Amino acid sequence: DVKVTQSSRYLVKRTGEKVFLECVQDMDHENMFWYRQDPGLGLRLIYFSYDVKMKEKGDIPEGYSVSREKKERFSLILESASTNQTSMYLCASRSGTGYNSPLHFGNGTRLTVT
Amino acid sequence: QQQVKQSPQSLIVQKGGISIINCAYENTAFDYFPWYQQFPGKGPALLIAIRPDVSEKKEGRFTISFNKSAKQFSLHIMDSQPGDSATYFCAASRIGSNYKLTFGKGTLLTVNP
Repeated sequence: DVKVTQSSRYLVKRTGEKVFLECVQDMDHENMFWYRQDPGLGLRLIYFSYDVKMKEKGDIPEGYSVSREKKERFSLILESASTNQTSMYLCASRSGTGYNSPLHFGNGTRLTVT
Repeated sequence: QQQVKQSPQSLIVQKGGISIINCAYENTAFDYFPWYQQFPGKGPALLIAIRPDVSEKKEGRFTISFNKSAKQFSLHIMDSQPGDSATYFCAASRIGSNYKLTFGKGTLLTVNP
């Protein structure tokens, strides 16, 4: 089974701090994603990466950046955390883009910015 | 612009009943329609998916019905069980699209014993 591991289950940070959310997948997937999940808003794509050192903006990239130095690892960076970034963050990976290439999600990091 | 509209936002069903969740999409280029299931404390996981060349797909108690002309698709859970209580997300994308899996806002299903 594919395993997507997010390094922290819960994080509490202060406004203005730089925050790193880490994600590792063990199935050599090319594509990795960061989503944000908020009640009533569903899953919204922040950034994705289709190869090492490659990245593209999703629907809500403002206030975030990403890093992918190794194929298995994809980091989400909040340059200066704000209270409106309090949310559940979900990392996902995918082996390709075809019909039989589902997204595999981690269990999420719940971030609270105070 | 919300490209995938999901309803209802929440749903309560008695054990043994049928749960129905509906989604509508706007982009006629979409050709892949998965449903994801999320239990509390877990990430979403693929439940079932359909392509627009078929009108229905069934896997066990879960069925997707697809209406291409109406740009709608729905998830039916037959004989709903308390263990089906979860949040369900519909989604849509184009096959071959690297990333653009657009999700609905989710439906919280509660199945009462």
